[in-house]
This record gives sequence, C-alpha cells and structure tokens, in this order.
Amino acid sequence: GENVEQHPSTLSVQEGDSAVIKCTYSDSASNYFPWYKQELGKRPQLIIDIRSNVGEKKDQRIAVTLNKTAKHFSLHITETQPEDSAVYFCAASGPGTYKYIFGTGTRLKVLA
Amino acid sequence: DVKVTQSSRYLVKRTGEKVFLECVQDMDHENMFWYRQDPGLGLRLIYFSYDVKMKEKGDIPEGYSVSREKKERFSLILESASTNQTSMYLCASRTESGVAGGRRYFGPGTRLTVL
Repeated sequence: GENVEQHPSTLSVQEGDSAVIKCTYSDSASNYFPWYKQELGKRPQLIIDIRSNVGEKKDQRIAVTLNKTAKHFSLHITETQPEDSAVYFCAASGPGTYKYIFGTGTRLKVLA
Repeated sequence: DVKVTQSSRYLVKRTGEKVFLECVQDMDHENMFWYRQDPGLGLRLIYFSYDVKMKEKGDIPEGYSVSREKKERFSLILESASTNQTSMYLCASRTESGVAGGRRYFGPGTRLTVL
C-alpha cells in the first residue's frame, strides 16, 4: 500500500533562515499532497496543498514543490519566525479515495 | 468557520472499560474521520465515514468500532480499552465531497490514558 516517508524528524534553524522538509511517496497514482502544521497543544491545520498537475505553489513565506518523476515533494519556509515552530506533517492521497497517508512528522524549532 | 468539537480533551479509563469518544462538526460535511496520533508514527487512520450509517475501516481498526447515526456526529468506541490504546485521538471532517483528497478540519483532540 501507499507509504509516505518524511525527513528530517527534527529540524532547528536560526530565525530568518530557510527550512526545508521533504517527503517521499510510494504510489505513483497519488495526486494530492497537503501539508499540515500542528502547534504545541493545538489541532493540525492545513497550511498549503498541491495537486499533481502543478509543480510548485507558493503562499507568502511558504511554498511546496512536487517532483512526480522522483515521487517526492517538499515544504519550503523562508524567513523563518519563532511562530513557525511546530510539528509539520505531509500527506499523500490517491485518485478516487478519501484517504490520506500521513508522514511521521517534522518538529521544527526556530531559534531566536 | 468550520467547527469540529470533541467531547473530552482528557480522559482516563481503566483496562476493560468501554470508552466512547464523540465528535461533532457543524458544517454539514459528509465525510468524517478518526485518527490516532502517536509520537514518531504520525497520524494513522482508524475509521472513516463517508455518509450517515456508512463506515469504512482505516489502517488500524483493530479494537475500535464507530457509529454515525447523524451527519454531524461521529463516535469512536473502544469496546474493551487496553493500555496500548493510550494515545491522542483526533477527529476530522472533510470538505470537497466527491473530490479526491481534500482538506481535513481537525478537532482539538482527546488524550486518552488507559490504566
């Protein structure tokens, strides 16, 4: 079945630097790739998503890139701020299904 | 603004007890989900429901059952709680019905401890 691997599991960056989190998926039919942010003690919230007909999507300081050939997608956060500190989850979903497969999460710490 | 609420934030139960976790959403979403969140394992799907009285097993359904008698409410049942079911349980609902994937709206979570 579908598997999603996420790296790194923890990431520390200095405030103002960029952060990159990578996910690899196994099912080449996957066509929807969301990213969720979960702050400490709070619920996961969607921050950005991309469908397979698009290679890149940006929303202010965050962007997601998709490489369908290599079956990986990445979250890029520029000019990191302390409020970016959280756990980030990627996920992949295939056609005709309501199911996601989530990655195992990345704990991002932005150091002031 | 979508609201997904869960009946308890924290719950402590004893081994062998029957446990009910309830989730309510107010946006008329057809699809609802129960996930379990454990450190290092991410979010794993227990069950989902694509409509009233309709349910489908997720990736880790063993030891759990669900009930969806009304569109807005989705209940997770632990028939006989065990210590390995100690975890954070997250409910979610889904928009974009009929479209693959789609955004999940999560509830605040219930941290269940089974002693």
